[in-house]
Amino acid sequence: AQTIHQWPVAEIKAVGSPLSLGCTIKGKSSPNLYWYWQATGGTLQQLFYSITVGQVESVVQLNLSASRPKDDQFILSTEKLLLSHSGFYLCAWSPSAEEQYFGPGTRLTVL
Amino acid sequence: QQQVRQSPQSLTVWEGETAILNCSYEDSTFNYFPWYQQFPGEGPALLISIRSVSDKKEDGRFTIFFNKREKKLSLHITDSQPGDSATYFCAASDSAGNKLTFGIGTRVLVRP
Repeated sequence: AQTIHQWPVAEIKAVGSPLSLGCTIKGKSSPNLYWYWQATGGTLQQLFYSITVGQVESVVQLNLSASRPKDDQFILSTEKLLLSHSGFYLCAWSPSAEEQYFGPGTRLTVL
Repeated sequence: QQQVRQSPQSLTVWEGETAILNCSYEDSTFNYFPWYQQFPGEGPALLISIRSVSDKKEDGRFTIFFNKREKKLSLHITDSQPGDSATYFCAASDSAGNKLTFGIGTRVLVRP
């Protein structure tokens, strides 16, 4: 069975500080990987997706970047956090570019 | 511009009743429509999905009805249980996949 793990579970950061969030998929080789952002009580906004190692497509610009250094790993980062970056960050994977399965998420608070 | 619309924003039903959640879309290239269930503090879970070649999909107490001509679909939750209380998101993508567009969600409360 496939498992998806996100780290950290929660993070409190200062405005202007850097950020790195991670996601790992186990039990599936060459998955499609995705990053989403969700404001509290809001909808899900897709940020990035990756079909293969080293390749990342940006869906929406939010002063964030993503990288896929390994087949099973997806990283979301920024050098300078904004207040608007607060929210719930979700990683998802898909075996086929259709059905997507989400991880448990990382709660980010920017102060 | 909201490409996927959901209504109502919130819905309260009694245990045993049928909850009906509505969704509509703009983009005629959308052909895959998943519904997700999300509990507070958790990631969304894929509940049920339908492709535009079908007009109905059933999985236990959950049924999707799809009207391609009107670009509308609905999720019916029959015999609602208190454990069904959650936020439900309708989403859509085209045949290229990968880009999934979500609606704003419907918060469902099932009262015992």
